[in-house]
Amino acid sequence: AQSVTQLDSHVSVSEGTPVLLRCNYSSSYSPSLFWYVQHPNKGLQLLLKYTSAATLVKGINGFEAEFKKSETSFHLTKPSAHMSDAAEYFCVPLEDGGYNKLIFGAGTRLAVHP
Amino acid sequence: GAVVSQHPSRVICKSGTSVKIECRSLDFQATTMFWYRQFPKQSLMLMATSNEGSKATYEQGVEKDKFLINHASLTLSTLTVTSAHPEDSSFYICSAWGDGGELFFGEGSRLTVL
Repeated sequence: AQSVTQLDSHVSVSEGTPVLLRCNYSSSYSPSLFWYVQHPNKGLQLLLKYTSAATLVKGINGFEAEFKKSETSFHLTKPSAHMSDAAEYFCVPLEDGGYNKLIFGAGTRLAVHP
Repeated sequence: GAVVSQHPSRVICKSGTSVKIECRSLDFQATTMFWYRQFPKQSLMLMATSNEGSKATYEQGVEKDKFLINHASLTLSTLTVTSAHPEDSSFYICSAWGDGGELFFGEGSRLTVL
C-alpha cells in the first residue's frame, strides 16, 4: 500500500518569501499523488496532481511540485507566499483498488505572516 | 460554481435525533462518492464509500448502523447520522471523482449535536 509522510506539521513564512511543504512517499512503484489545500471551515481544493506524465507539475495559484523518484519526494513549492495561502495542505496518494480512495494523512498547516 | 454540493452547510440538532446530509454532483454522474469526517484541527478520516445502487463500503471502525449511507441516483448520496450524540459533532465532507481525474470535494457540513 502507498503512504506519504508530510515532514512538517506546521510551517510559518513571511509574505513574499518562498514556500516549501515537504512530502515523502513510500511505494514499491510510482504512485499517483495529489496536493490539496483546505482553507478554514471549507472543503478541499486540488492544487495539482502527479500521474507519471511529467515530473514537474504546475498547479493553481502559483504552486508547483516536483516528483523525485531518487528521493521519493513530492514537495510543494511556491516562489512567493501570499497571505491568502494560509491554510492546511495535504499530500495524498491514490490508493490501489477499484474504488480509488484517497486516504489523508496529518497535513501541514501553513501560516503566512505580514 | 461548485461541482459537488453539500446540504446543509450547518446543522444543529438535539441529542437523540437523526440528521441527513446530502451530497450532489452538479454537472457529472458519480457512481461512487466518498464520505469523510473531520474533527477540529485534524485531518480527514474516510468513513465510507457510497456506491450507486448497492450497499456502501464502510471503513474499519465506522458504525454502519450509526452512519446510514444511501446512493439512490448517479448524482446524489446521503449520509444520515442516526440517534446523534454530542460526540458525533463534526465536519462531514463528501467527494466524488470528476471526468478529468480530479476528486472534487463538497464544501462540508458542520454538525453540532446539543
